Amino acid sequence: GAGVSQSPRYKVAKRGQDVALRCDPISGHVSLFWYQQALGQGPEFLTYFQNEAQLDKSGLPSDRFFAERPEGSVSTLKIQRTQQEDSAVYLCASSLWSGSSYEQYFGPGTRLTVT
Amino acid sequence: DAKTTQPPSMDCAEGRAANLPCNHSTISGNEYVYWYRQIHSQGPQYIIHGLKNNETNEMASLIITEDRKSSTLILPHATLRDTAVYYCIVRELTQGGSEKLVFGKGTKLTVNP
Repeated sequence: GAGVSQSPRYKVAKRGQDVALRCDPISGHVSLFWYQQALGQGPEFLTYFQNEAQLDKSGLPSDRFFAERPEGSVSTLKIQRTQQEDSAVYLCASSLWSGSSYEQYFGPGTRLTVT
Repeated sequence: DAKTTQPPSMDCAEGRAANLPCNHSTISGNEYVYWYRQIHSQGPQYIIHGLKNNETNEMASLIITEDRKSSTLILPHATLRDTAVYYCIVRELTQGGSEKLVFGKGTKLTVNP
């Protein structure tokens, strides 16, 4: 079946621009996660949704980062006034349900480059 | 911070078993051990997870020690396509119901022909 998809796969933004990154989770998956992966590092947690509810946004690095999942399926990560340190791969993951026994399935990521 | 420690790199000959160790001495009784791998320029790929018992699937086997303080991921017949960074993760539950994965630096496995 279809996995997690993300778009665009690559995004180049000039410093100060706003960007929006989209995630289409696996159909029927309740939980959705966003991670940020800097070059050479492991992914770092940004935020978590259970259906449309954002239950944890503790990993968002600043108030320039905003995520939403209004209908409990597709999610968008928005970064306002991008800065060079925002350059990274942004990964989305979904899992069937909540609970530590359910694996997260990752999308291919969006590589953001801020120039 | 990640609750696991892994060697930064390992090598394995093609066709041989790859045994990747992981220490998680502070793991709690209800926390799962997960393994993911990441091939260059791709998202992390789920491999296997376990709580107490050893687990096996079509990709790998997971051996967890009786005290649960360490585990080993076994790829029985490594191929060149298994070259990747392998992450051992203790699945953390946090207040409010979040279930984030906390990635460490992982082990860079290189399978050599």
